[in-house]
Amino acid sequence: DAGVIQSPRHEVTEMGQEVTLRCKPISGHNSLFWYRQTMMRGLELLIYFNNNVPIDDSGMPEDRFSAKMPNASFSTLKIQPSEPRDSAVYFCASTLRGSGRGGETQYFGPGTRLLVL
Amino acid sequence: GQQVMQIPQYQHVQEGEDFTTYCNSSTTLSNIQWYKQRPGGHPVFLIQLVKSGEVKKQKRLTFQFGEAKKNSSLHITATQTTDVGTYFCAGLGAGSYQLTFGKGTKLSVIP
Repeated sequence: DAGVIQSPRHEVTEMGQEVTLRCKPISGHNSLFWYRQTMMRGLELLIYFNNNVPIDDSGMPEDRFSAKMPNASFSTLKIQPSEPRDSAVYFCASTLRGSGRGGETQYFGPGTRLLVL
Repeated sequence: GQQVMQIPQYQHVQEGEDFTTYCNSSTTLSNIQWYKQRPGGHPVFLIQLVKSGEVKKQKRLTFQFGEAKKNSSLHITATQTTDVGTYFCAGLGAGSYQLTFGKGTKLSVIP
């Protein structure tokens, strides 16, 4: 099992540029989460998809951030235009919701380390 | 909204000493999960607690869920350098789909 795959692993860009982060969830999982992690704010949930449909995007910081999940095996998080304060590690996580185990164990990808200069 | 507080934020221990991190939720939880993130890595699921007063052990790690299902703790006995990392609790509110993560406790172990 390949686990959750994220690309790129590292991204350095200049302020104002568009950044696209990609995620492939674990095959068979039906829920996908995008998180942002910084020293100051910890792990923040940005958006949650269930069966490819965005359920809760209340954590998305502002209109510069957008996320899509065109199919069950792919999601993107786009920042346009990027700003230095967007520098963080962005994690994608997936889970099988409704697995009957009484919880929602999340499997995290390796993350994308974004630096906006 | 639901809040999960975790203390301490940092803990430095001598190898062989014990370590405990505490997690408190503002609301009753249906379950609580614990994750470990190694330096430079990603959060990895450790365990899930569901029942009131539940205690689970994984080798030197002991996890507890409070009777009121609003607090939890992780205790490590005789820490080793391999225990280094940040430990997160994450609570699932009743009827919720969304885990709320604590800010984590960063553990350093001095050899």
